[in-house]
Amino acid sequence: GAVVSQHPSRVICKSGTSVKIECRSLDFQATTMFWYRQFPKQSLMLMATSNEGSKATYEQGVEKDKFLINHASLTLSTLTVTSAHPEDSSFYICSGLLAGVTDTQYFGPGTRLTVL
Amino acid sequence: SQKIEQNSEALNIQEGKTATLTCNYTNYSPAYLQWYRQDPGRGPVFLLLIRENEKEKRKERLKVTFDTTLKQSLFHITASQPADSATYLCALAANNRLAFGKGNQVVVIP
Repeated sequence: GAVVSQHPSRVICKSGTSVKIECRSLDFQATTMFWYRQFPKQSLMLMATSNEGSKATYEQGVEKDKFLINHASLTLSTLTVTSAHPEDSSFYICSGLLAGVTDTQYFGPGTRLTVL
Repeated sequence: SQKIEQNSEALNIQEGKTATLTCNYTNYSPAYLQWYRQDPGRGPVFLLLIRENEKEKRKERLKVTFDTTLKQSLFHITASQPADSATYLCALAANNRLAFGKGNQVVVIP
């Protein structure tokens, strides 16, 4: 159980275009989802916390107008990278929170974004 | 400042031996700590969670210890297999979010 999917797994786009990444919890409801970014050989860096039906909370230094997050249902959150630039190229990973006494996050397989 | 430190050097270990990884942290008071496995180009996979009042947790060939005085967790893979080769991340629960270490790569040599 606790499976999270992401789509697409890889995307290559031109500079200036927007890219949408979907994150779905397949067998549980996730009132909270998280979006991370990971550069090679670095730790996962939390970008934002997404709560169903409300605005996302962004970490310091993450531009909310550039990384648009929508969490319209209990099983779907989307991250849109607007006007992407080469420096946005990274590995983007989402997770869904399985709430309980000790909260455990279950991660998607990640999306490799390459901006040319 | 807050830090989570894992060994940046890969751990090369012979098949069948026990691999031991260390996670040290400073300026955190986590209620619990988690270990994840991450394969190249993939998202992390949850392995084990240990609470602050637990000293040790086991799951199959995995064992985790948590010493809140030393601010350290040890992660052991017993009877290691080539399929255990991956990067292992420790994560601390703090402020309703997880803070991750950079991970420690394990290479199990057949």
